[in-house]
Amino acid sequence: EPEVTQTPSHQVTQMGQEVILRCVPISNHLYFYWYRQILGQKVEFLVSFYNNEISEKSEIFDDQFSVERPDGSNFTLKIRSTKLEDSAMYFCASREGPGNTIYFGEGSWLTVV
Amino acid sequence: AQSVTQPDIHITVSEGASLELRCNYSYGATPYLFWYVQSPGQGLQLLLKYFSGDTLVQGIKGFEAEFKRSQSSFNLRKPSVHWSDAAEYFCAVGAGNTPLVFGKGTRLSVIA
Repeated sequence: EPEVTQTPSHQVTQMGQEVILRCVPISNHLYFYWYRQILGQKVEFLVSFYNNEISEKSEIFDDQFSVERPDGSNFTLKIRSTKLEDSAMYFCASREGPGNTIYFGEGSWLTVV
Repeated sequence: AQSVTQPDIHITVSEGASLELRCNYSYGATPYLFWYVQSPGQGLQLLLKYFSGDTLVQGIKGFEAEFKRSQSSFNLRKPSVHWSDAAEYFCAVGAGNTPLVFGKGTRLSVIA
């Protein structure tokens, strides 16, 4: 079964450093998402991306965050200057079209020290 | 505003016993409803989904859920729990191409 793949699975970074989390969505999917889950808390929406632009973003997704689809397969989340509170599991997700099931990747654990 | 409430933070059941995890939602339109399961340190795996039609939906691993519009609920059930079902369970709601809104999750512990 096709799946969403994410790298790295775990990254430790120093506060203030830039981090790029990578995702390969399912190949025929058109809608892409990033969610995050702070340890012990619920899964929160960050941003959605369609047709090479952000379609919706939450208040969490401030100027420190950016997303990009640099080629036909990858979908990246960049955090420019990480803060301690950015420590979380970041999930990439994709769906084929409106109303279709959203499939999630295994997540990338980000620890900011 | 869209919201999902999972009133039980933690549930413990005996292996072989039945299970019901509660989920209530608030949504302005006809919702699409989902249950995901997350094992420790793992990603989110889709258990089942409701889009339309039969209000009782079957999922993987023997789970089922029933959509009750009058109660704004989408409770997850399993007739006989296995130790491997111990995990965190998330209910989520969405529609169209809107992002999913998740509940806070219910942690399931299974005892012998």
